[in-house]
Order: sequence, then C-alpha cells, then structure tokens
Amino acid sequence: AQKVTQAQTEISVVEKEDVTLDCVYETRDTTYYLFWYKQPPSGELVFLIRRNSFDEQNEISGRYSWNFQKSTSSFNFTITASQVVDSAVYFCALKANFGNEKLTFGTGTRLTIIP
Amino acid sequence: EPEVTQTPSHQVTQMGQEVILRCVPISNHLYFYWYRQILGQKVEFLVSFYNNEISEKSEIFDDQFSVERPDGSNFTLKIRSTKLEDSAMYFCASRWDATYEQYFGPGTRLTVT
Repeated sequence: AQKVTQAQTEISVVEKEDVTLDCVYETRDTTYYLFWYKQPPSGELVFLIRRNSFDEQNEISGRYSWNFQKSTSSFNFTITASQVVDSAVYFCALKANFGNEKLTFGTGTRLTIIP
Repeated sequence: EPEVTQTPSHQVTQMGQEVILRCVPISNHLYFYWYRQILGQKVEFLVSFYNNEISEKSEIFDDQFSVERPDGSNFTLKIRSTKLEDSAMYFCASRWDATYEQYFGPGTRLTVT
C-alpha cells in the first residue's frame, strides 16, 4: 500500500518570505511517480510537477523548486519570495508502478501568504 | 491550452435520486479518472477507465456508482441512489498515454439534501 504524509496542515508566511512544504511518502514499489498539485480558493486542481523515482535531480521552475530525496522518502516543495497568489492548498501525490492507475494524495497543506 | 471540462459546476439533489456528472477529457488523452473530495479533506480516487473499461476502482466505488464513455468525447459518473455522504466535490481527470500526470477538471460540487 502507498501513503503520502503532509504533516504541515497550515502555514502562514509574510509575502516575500521563502516557504517549504514537506511531503513524505511510503511505497514498496521500486518505480513510482510523485506529483505536486495546487488547489487555489476557486477549487480546481492544478498540476505543478511530476518526478520519476529514477530521477533524483532537483528541479527549479521560476520561484518554485522541488527537492526529491529517495533516502528519506521525501519530496519537498519550496516557494521562494512568496506572493499572495501562492495562497492555496498544496497536495503531494504518489502513483506507484505501471499497473496501478490511481493517485494517492496527502491531506494537503494550506498555505496563506500575508500581504 | 486544452483542458478538462465538467458540468454542472454545482448539482443539488435529494437523497435517493440518481445523478449523472459529466466530463469532457482532453481530446487526445486515453486514460480517464474520477476522484472525490469531501469538504476540507483530501482527494480520494474512485475509478480509472481505459480502453472502454474500468481498469481500477477503490472500495468507495461500490455498486451505486458507474462510469461510461458514451461517445468519443464525454465521460460520465452516475450515482444511482444518492446518500447524504455522497456530498462532495467530484473531479474528473485525464492523462495522455506516454506521461503519468493527470489533468483535472474544475470539479462538480454535489450536494445531497
């Protein structure tokens, strides 16, 4: 069985501060995929990034960066110089092996950026 | 940019009634999904659909649920006899063959009274 834990339920930071959202996962599969999704107040789920288990390179996209560490089963997400538009619930998700289609989501972290 | 669409955005129904939630996945995608999110909770997988059949379903997806792809563009979720606990946001998602990220629609908020 797979499991995703997002221990931070809510985080508030002042605009322009950096913030890191934690994600820890569990799976017995050797091949798996990790994702981050953003859910703004309007409710839709917006895909941010996919990371394959065999690719441990960190990734940067503008103000967003992701740190994947297989040794600690973590896939953390950092927002640099946060902005009010970053306020949302962020979900980490896991998809394990080729025969398994479902995404297993964490409980989400509600991020509030204070202007 | 292509996107998944869902109708209606909000559906109110009485307990025991049947509802059909509709989705139009991204046109070249081959895998289709339904998830639900009870208010304030995490997103939960219901079912996946590929090649005109269910490929995987969760324990939530019992006999009162069914899915269909009636034509080349629509993907529907039917709840036969709704219960109060079916109240949730229902998300449709789709993905292409060669990549694993799923793209979600805006959701249908189902309220059962």
